[in-house]
Order: sequence, then C-alpha cells, then structure tokens
Amino acid sequence: QQQVKQSPQSLIVQKGGISIINCAYENTAFDYFPWYQQFPGKGPALLIAIRPDVSEKKEGRFTISFNKSAKQFSLHIMDSQPGDSATYFCAASMLGGSGGSNYKLTFGKGTLLTVNP
Amino acid sequence: ETGVTQTPRHLVMGMTNKKSLKCEQHLGHNAMYWYKQSAKKPLELMFVYNFKEQTENNSVPSRFSPECPNSSHLFLHLHTLQPEDSALYLCASSQGVADTSTDTQYFGPGTRLTVL
Repeated sequence: QQQVKQSPQSLIVQKGGISIINCAYENTAFDYFPWYQQFPGKGPALLIAIRPDVSEKKEGRFTISFNKSAKQFSLHIMDSQPGDSATYFCAASMLGGSGGSNYKLTFGKGTLLTVNP
Repeated sequence: ETGVTQTPRHLVMGMTNKKSLKCEQHLGHNAMYWYKQSAKKPLELMFVYNFKEQTENNSVPSRFSPECPNSSHLFLHLHTLQPEDSALYLCASSQGVADTSTDTQYFGPGTRLTVL
C-alpha cells in the first residue's frame, strides 16, 4: 500500500516556466510534509517543508500549497532554471519506532524534473 | 569531512560474498537511518537507530544486518544477497528528537550496490 502518491513521474518545462508536482496522502496521522531534492550521484536534500496547520509556505522560488481536507499538497517552482533539474520527492512524517521513539518518513516515488534552457 | 559520508560509493558483490557498508555522520546527531532506493520505487526505510538502540526494523530480510556502535557510525552488513537487492543504499541522520515532527533527516551520497 503506497501511502504517499506523487505525480507526475517526469516533467519537462522551459526555463522561466512554472513546475508543479503533486502529492496525495492517506494517513491522517502524518503531521509534517517535507520535499527533498536529489541530484545525480547525491543523496536527497531537504528543500522546503510544511506543517498541516498552514495552507502555504514560500521560500524564494519554491512554494508548498497544502490542502488538509483533500489530503493533498504540491510543490510549485517559479521561474524554473536549468539548475533546478533534479528528482523531487515529497514525503510525510509520523511518529513511529518502538515506543514512538522516532519520526519516520514515507516518500513518494519521485518526479524527474528537466528544465530546458 | 562534513555532513554524512558513506563508503564505499560503489560495490559489486557475488551472491555468496560478505561485505559491509559504512556510514559516518559529523553533525552531532543521535538518530541514524538506512534506506534502500530502487528505480521507480519510493525510498524504503530499512532500519532506524536512536541513541545507538534499534527502534525500527521495517521487515528487512535477515541477510541485511545493521550495526550501530555509537551515534556517529552505522554499518550495514551484507551476506548471501540476491540480484534484486541491487540498489542505492542511503544513510541518513537526524537530531532524533521525538517531540517534534520537524526532525530533518540529512542524507549521505549513498552506496551503489550491484549483486551479481
């Protein structure tokens, strides 16, 4: 059972355009929603994150929109640049582990973004 | 070295070999994680250690054996692996504070494992 569904699988945009990646989750116990960016040969790196009590968070060209009732959230990349070409993962966090001792992330399958110059 | 480092970066092994992956974090964190990343699949959490104690085993086959001797080092011992175990194995660390969900995980570059 995939708890976080991400779309599209791949995305091609022109330089200066808007990139939009969507995610949906099922478990209402999730309470933190980060986005990770991964370049080839590197591990994922935290890009931006949001709590469910906020509907939108913006950091520079990156914005998360969050719809709690629909259990959906999305990443918008404004003025997309060739350097933004990477794989983007949405994730959702909830308490887990023995005795609830750590938070665990559930990831989407990823979106390969290509920004053409 | 800064952040999270992993060695080796690439590993090719036969199904009868025994090898180990190493992860080291230089961030002063208390929690460490092993993930498996396969093509077209979500990152799969394998193990979690918090203050050197294993707190999560995500139904991982026993041919994968983790070891956490201290909060800075994490190993993944491999033996009698199968070709379908070929993947990128990522290590991550975090503060490990369970009273906030904003416990950011920092990833290493991964070890690309190929099982022949």
